[in-house]
Amino acid sequence: EAGVTQFPSHSVIEKGQTVTLRCDPISGHDNLYWYRRVMGKEIKFLLHFVKESKQDESGMPNNRFLAERTGGTYSTLKVQPAELEDSGVYFCASSQDTAGGGTDTQYFGPGTRLTVL
Amino acid sequence: QKEVEQDPGPLSVPEGAIVSLNCTYSNSAFQYFMWYRQYSRKGPELLMYTYSSGNKEDGRFTAQVDKSSKYISLFIRDSQPSDSATYLCAMRTGGFKTIFGAGTRLFVKA
Repeated sequence: EAGVTQFPSHSVIEKGQTVTLRCDPISGHDNLYWYRRVMGKEIKFLLHFVKESKQDESGMPNNRFLAERTGGTYSTLKVQPAELEDSGVYFCASSQDTAGGGTDTQYFGPGTRLTVL
Repeated sequence: QKEVEQDPGPLSVPEGAIVSLNCTYSNSAFQYFMWYRQYSRKGPELLMYTYSSGNKEDGRFTAQVDKSSKYISLFIRDSQPSDSATYLCAMRTGGFKTIFGAGTRLFVKA
């Protein structure tokens, strides 16, 4: 079974440019999550999709970040315009729907390393 | 104050040693406790999961949760060089949102 895949693995852009990150979850997983790790800090939750609906986007830093999951399959995270503080590793995770979120096993992708110059 | 505190290390031990990793937390609503292992340039991988207080053992790994002290631990017995990785504690109240510690870098020397 293929795991969670993310593209690109690395992205280097200039401040003010736009970048789009893509995540392909494990087939059949309704839940999709985005997380971010800024250098030296802990991994932080950004948002949670259930199929194509945003269930929780409380972790999105500001309106420069836009996440979509059309058709409930892959997801994109767009940063526009990018700022220096957006640099970090962006992780995507997916999971099957369960009765309760606490027991949900989330499978992580390898991450996209974003550098904003 | 961070919700979850974890010493980033690094922690260096000889092969065969018992490793003790731990986290403290401030939110008493946390009920689900996890340990993830992350190798360099990879995503976190779930290692152990515990609900509420108590112990859980899986092979060389033992997870402990003490809710009264808001303290969780992961013990690794007979550590191997292949255990060298970053270990992240993580917690949830009951929903899907996961709160992570900063991670502890572990090096096991052959």
